[in-house]
Amino acid sequence: DQQVKQNSPSLSVQEGRISILNCDYTNSMFDYFLWYKKYPAEGPTFLISISSIKDKNEDGRFTVFLNKSAKHLSLHIVPSQPGDSAVYFCAASALRNTGTASKLTFGTGTRLQVTL
Amino acid sequence: DGGITQSPKYLFRKEGQNVTLSCEQNLNHDAMYWYRQDPGQGLRLIYYSQIVNDFQKGDIAEGYSVSREKKESFPLTVTSAQKNPTAFYLCASSPGSVIGNTIYFGEGSWLTVV
Repeated sequence: DQQVKQNSPSLSVQEGRISILNCDYTNSMFDYFLWYKKYPAEGPTFLISISSIKDKNEDGRFTVFLNKSAKHLSLHIVPSQPGDSAVYFCAASALRNTGTASKLTFGTGTRLQVTL
Repeated sequence: DGGITQSPKYLFRKEGQNVTLSCEQNLNHDAMYWYRQDPGQGLRLIYYSQIVNDFQKGDIAEGYSVSREKKESFPLTVTSAQKNPTAFYLCASSPGSVIGNTIYFGEGSWLTVV
């Protein structure tokens, strides 16, 4: 049972435009969400996170939006750059349950290709 | 430089052999994790440890074993009981139970069964 879903396996966006990566979750206990970026044969690197008490968090070109009622979050990258081309993973954790942000459940990833 | 070091980067295993993947961190993190990545499956949690001498099974622990004798080290043994061990293995660590913390990953280890 996939509790965190990224239904788009790939996305292609032109340089300078907005990239929107989507993520849905089914477990209502999830209250902390993260986005990771991963290049081939490397470990994921943390991008941005959001707690369920917020509906938006912004860090430079990256903004994460959370819609709790829809159990949906999205990552916006504006403007998109060729170096953003990578696989993006959404992850979720139930902080209230475990008391830590430790046990993360990951989605299957979306491969973003930013074209010139 | 602080970080997480996994070794070896590439490992080949014969059928029926046990192999151990090393993971060392010098970030002074309390918690450490092992994830496995297969194509189209995202990252799945194998084992995690929140403190020395303690560890918990993740979602796919069967066929794997771990130890946490030191804070810095969390080796993963892929046993012959693991039916489909060929995958990309990622070790990670995090500071512990602070809200807002994140998990930091190593570079990964490729394991191939030959």
